[in-house]
Amino acid sequence: GAVVSQHPSWVICKSGTSVKIECRSLDFQATTMFWYRQFPKQSLMLMATSNEGSKATYEQGVEKDKFLINHASLTLSTLTVTSAHPEDSSFYICSAEGQGWDQPQHFGDGTRLSIL
Amino acid sequence: DAKTTQPPSMDCAEGRAANLPCNHSTISGNEYVYWYRQIHSQGPQYIIHGLKNNETNEMASLIITEDRKSSTLILPHATLRDTAVYYCIVNAGNNRKLIWGLGTSLAVNP
Repeated sequence: GAVVSQHPSWVICKSGTSVKIECRSLDFQATTMFWYRQFPKQSLMLMATSNEGSKATYEQGVEKDKFLINHASLTLSTLTVTSAHPEDSSFYICSAEGQGWDQPQHFGDGTRLSIL
Repeated sequence: DAKTTQPPSMDCAEGRAANLPCNHSTISGNEYVYWYRQIHSQGPQYIIHGLKNNETNEMASLIITEDRKSSTLILPHATLRDTAVYYCIVNAGNNRKLIWGLGTSLAVNP
């Protein structure tokens, strides 16, 4: 089955640093990938839709200069949290479009980001 | 995309069937019903989806009412590893953004 690998799974860093999270489709190509954020005891919130070879589409309220998304190939999308602060601490999850119109999205295992 | 309504929590005894309901009264004709689950601190896992016919796979069965305004996910023999939050989502296609509610937190008890 389709596998999405997300790396790293867990990261702790100091306030003010930038953190890059990778999302890879391992055995299929994904023109479209999605980035979500999830706070404790809350549901997933879509941050942006990442399209290969073009600019990402951000949801309302998500700062595009804060959360940089690059989707340079059909198997890799990256999310960079720039100048991270404690309020950016969260669980970040990526997904890739399914292979076929009605097919489900495939999710990574998430990245737990903690900013000190 | 149509909104869904699910009970916030349910309990089930291990080995028994778990029946998780979902209301989607505003579903459009081209929207599918998808079920995902999320085990604590992991990414969501796809379970099953359907348009109007009932569906079954190795994980679960999906029963969709004839008017498509509600559905039920059935885990035939729940195990402790099925303890998770279950999300019912309606969506018209794979490259459309998914709208996540709070889901149903299923606790399978020994």
